[in-house]
Amino acid sequence: DQQVKQNSPSLSVQEGRISILNCDYTNSMFDYFLWYKKYPAEGPTFLISISSIKDKNEDGRFTVFLNKSAKHLSLHIVPSQPGDSAVYFCAASANTGNQFYFGTGTSLTVIP
Amino acid sequence: DSGVTQTPKHLITATGQRVTLRCSPRSGDLSVYWYQQSLDQGLQFLIQYYNGEERAKGNILERFSAQQFPDLHSELNLSSLELGDSALYFCASSPLGQGGPGNTIYFGEGSWLTVV
Repeated sequence: DQQVKQNSPSLSVQEGRISILNCDYTNSMFDYFLWYKKYPAEGPTFLISISSIKDKNEDGRFTVFLNKSAKHLSLHIVPSQPGDSAVYFCAASANTGNQFYFGTGTSLTVIP
Repeated sequence: DSGVTQTPKHLITATGQRVTLRCSPRSGDLSVYWYQQSLDQGLQFLIQYYNGEERAKGNILERFSAQQFPDLHSELNLSSLELGDSALYFCASSPLGQGGPGNTIYFGEGSWLTVV
């Protein structure tokens, strides 16, 4: 049972434009959400997180939005740069549990 | 650099053999997680240890086992290896034993296992 879903396997965006990566979850107990960036053959790198008490968190070019009623979060990258080309994973956890649940990833390509 | 150290980075071994992957967590982190990624697929959770004790178990095969030592480093043992076990194995660590706000996990660079 996939509790965290990334329904878009891939996304292509022009350099300088906005990249929007989406993630849906099913477990209403999740209260912490994270985004990771992964280059091939490297470990995932933590990007940004958001607690369920917030609906937005911003860090430089990266902003995460959380819509609890829709059980949906998104990562916005503005402006997109070629170095942002990577696979992005969203993850979720609950303070009542132990595990981190990961989506299957979205491969972002930023075209120069 | 996440602060999580994994060794070896690459390993080639034959079917039927046994290997041990090692992980040193970030300083101060008590939890260690193991994940498997095969052929650019998603991250499959294997097992979690917190302060030396098993805390959660995912899709870990019976041929695989892990432990966390008093100095908090962890080892993942893979035995009776099959071709399908070829994958990237990631270790991650976090400060706390449970999920929730503030408990972010950080990944190592991975150990690339090739079974021939």
